[in-house]
Amino acid sequence: AQSVTQLGSHVSVSEGALVLLRCNYSSSVPPYLFWYVQYPNQGLQLLLKYTSAATLVKGINGFEAEFKKSETSFHLTKPSAHMSDAAEYFCAVSDQGLTGGGNKLTFGTGTQLKVEL
Amino acid sequence: DAGVIQSPRHEVTEMGQEVTLRCKPISGHDYLFWYRQTMMRGLELLIYFNNNVPIDDSGMPEDRFSAKMPNASFSTLKIQPSEPRDSAVYFCASSRDRDSGELFFGEGSRLTVL
Repeated sequence: AQSVTQLGSHVSVSEGALVLLRCNYSSSVPPYLFWYVQYPNQGLQLLLKYTSAATLVKGINGFEAEFKKSETSFHLTKPSAHMSDAAEYFCAVSDQGLTGGGNKLTFGTGTQLKVEL
Repeated sequence: DAGVIQSPRHEVTEMGQEVTLRCKPISGHDYLFWYRQTMMRGLELLIYFNNNVPIDDSGMPEDRFSAKMPNASFSTLKIQPSEPRDSAVYFCASSRDRDSGELFFGEGSRLTVL
């Protein structure tokens, strides 16, 4: 089964600084990979997804992620952090190739992003 | 369009009581998912439905948990009897198609079992 590992349960950056949230995946087949964001007391919201097209994927709110097969990574970045980016971010992988499996997501443990003035 | 609607938002109950969580998916979405979120275990997929039919319930922890989807606009997750270790936030999510990976989540039901 596929899995993802998020390095760092908490990341703190200054407003305006680069945001880098790390995600490594394990998969025996080409994976579909996702980043979701969860704001306090809310459900998860899709930020961006990789489905084997372009390796650099752009998402909402200025976030992007690059799929690197050689490193089995899918790190999330944003050039300049904003206070409104403070939230929990989840990397996820899907069991694509199985019936309906494209939507059966396995989530990482999450990274809490704190943005400081 | 309205998003995924879950009720109740908060539930506090005594151990041994029956708990029923409800979900209304987005109209036109054929897939419905129940997830559980805890500090210890993160987000776990409990069960998912396609066109009201349960497809994979391998994540349901034990027989105390059951889920139904009697029609395309309503699903329930029932815990009977409830235990303190069931305390968690339960999310319902829906999806339009098979392979997009785009799940639309409700705001969750926070369950506390005393």
